[in-house]
Amino acid sequence: NAGVMQNPRHLVRRRGQEARLRCSPMKGHSHVYWYRQLPEEGLKFMVYLQKENIIDESGMPKERFSAEFPKEGPSILRIQQVVRGDSAAYFCASSSADGLDSPLHFGNGTRLTVT
Amino acid sequence: QKEVEQDPGPLSVPEGAIVSLNCTYSNSAFQYFMWYRQYSRKGPELLMYTYSSGNKEDGRFTAQVDKSSKYISLFIRDSQPSDSATYLCAMTSGTYKYIFGTGTRLKVLA
Repeated sequence: NAGVMQNPRHLVRRRGQEARLRCSPMKGHSHVYWYRQLPEEGLKFMVYLQKENIIDESGMPKERFSAEFPKEGPSILRIQQVVRGDSAAYFCASSSADGLDSPLHFGNGTRLTVT
Repeated sequence: QKEVEQDPGPLSVPEGAIVSLNCTYSNSAFQYFMWYRQYSRKGPELLMYTYSSGNKEDGRFTAQVDKSSKYISLFIRDSQPSDSATYLCAMTSGTYKYIFGTGTRLKVLA
């Protein structure tokens, strides 16, 4: 009974490299959300996707950040040309619907460190 | 001013104590309120989910919402060392855009 699976758990990148974060939602869930968490700050919404569609990317910087949720396979959050300020924990959540009778279930996150 | 305010703690209590965790908010449109528990190096885990005002109880946990005061609480009875974690409140007006508090760190001392 797998929950939301994220990999890798830890990712170290040098400035200028690309980071790819993967998220497999819970079985039966077709709605995926990415959040970013910094120490002493709350979780910040980045993007909401359904299969093959970006529904809302208003929380994601336009430059360097992109997300996808293909028909087959995990959702991917991609950060190009990483900078030190991108260092954070990135959490993926999933739900079976976008209604509130289907609250978000989170994975254990990917901790990105940019050196 | 942040939309959701939460005391970061840490809050230290002896085992068996009743714990009270709170959040205040400014947006009167919020209708749905959640509490998540987050252990170190883990993702948030949903504990309680309530709609509008009132109380909801689940085992040792009670969630309380006072919309007139824009104030929500989570009570933990008979606290255990295993309850030591960061507790996040979250709320929404009815969309998927949850607004999270910064979390309160709780330590229950054996």
